[in-house]
Amino acid sequence: GAVVSQHPSRVICKSGTSVKIECRSLDFQATTMFWYRQFPKQSLMLMATSNEGSKATYEQGVEKDKFLINHASLTLSTLTVTSAHPEDSSFYICSARDVRGNQPQHFGDGTRLSIL
Amino acid sequence: DAKTTQPNSMESNEEEPVHLPCNHSTISGTDYIHWYRQLPSQGPEYVIHGLTSNVNNRMASLAIAEDRKSSTLILHRATLRDAAVYYCIPNAGGTSYGKLTFGQGTILTVHP
Repeated sequence: GAVVSQHPSRVICKSGTSVKIECRSLDFQATTMFWYRQFPKQSLMLMATSNEGSKATYEQGVEKDKFLINHASLTLSTLTVTSAHPEDSSFYICSARDVRGNQPQHFGDGTRLSIL
Repeated sequence: DAKTTQPNSMESNEEEPVHLPCNHSTISGTDYIHWYRQLPSQGPEYVIHGLTSNVNNRMASLAIAEDRKSSTLILHRATLRDAAVYYCIPNAGGTSYGKLTFGQGTILTVHP
């Protein structure tokens, strides 16, 4: 079945560091990818919609300069958490939408980000 | 987005059927009903989706009420691997179009 690979699976770093998370669709092309954040014991919250070849669309309250999204190809979107602080510690999950349509969205296994 | 109401939690015994309900009374006529599940420390996994007719796949069955204001996900024989949070999500425009808005979902516990 369709697979979305997310890397890294876990990151621990110091406050002030910028962290890049990759989301790849392995066997299908995705013009649209979505980035979610999930805090402990809470549901997934959509952060932004990543569109191949154009600017990402951010949800209300999500700082675009803080969470940089690049979707340079049909199989790769990246999320960079710039100057991360402890409050940015969370579980970040991406999903990808097959260009062919009429397919379910496929999710990566998430990235656990811990900022010390 | 259509609002959904799901039980916070449900329990089942292994190899018994499980019926997970979802109310979505404000669903629009073109919204599909999607079900995803999330195992601990993993991303969500697609389970099933439908529009008006009942649907079956290898994972589950989806029973949709005639007025489309509610639906029920049916796991025919629960296994320990089915223990997860189940999300019912109305989604506009077909299976993959539109953003998915996750509610709190139902935590399913399966007892051996």
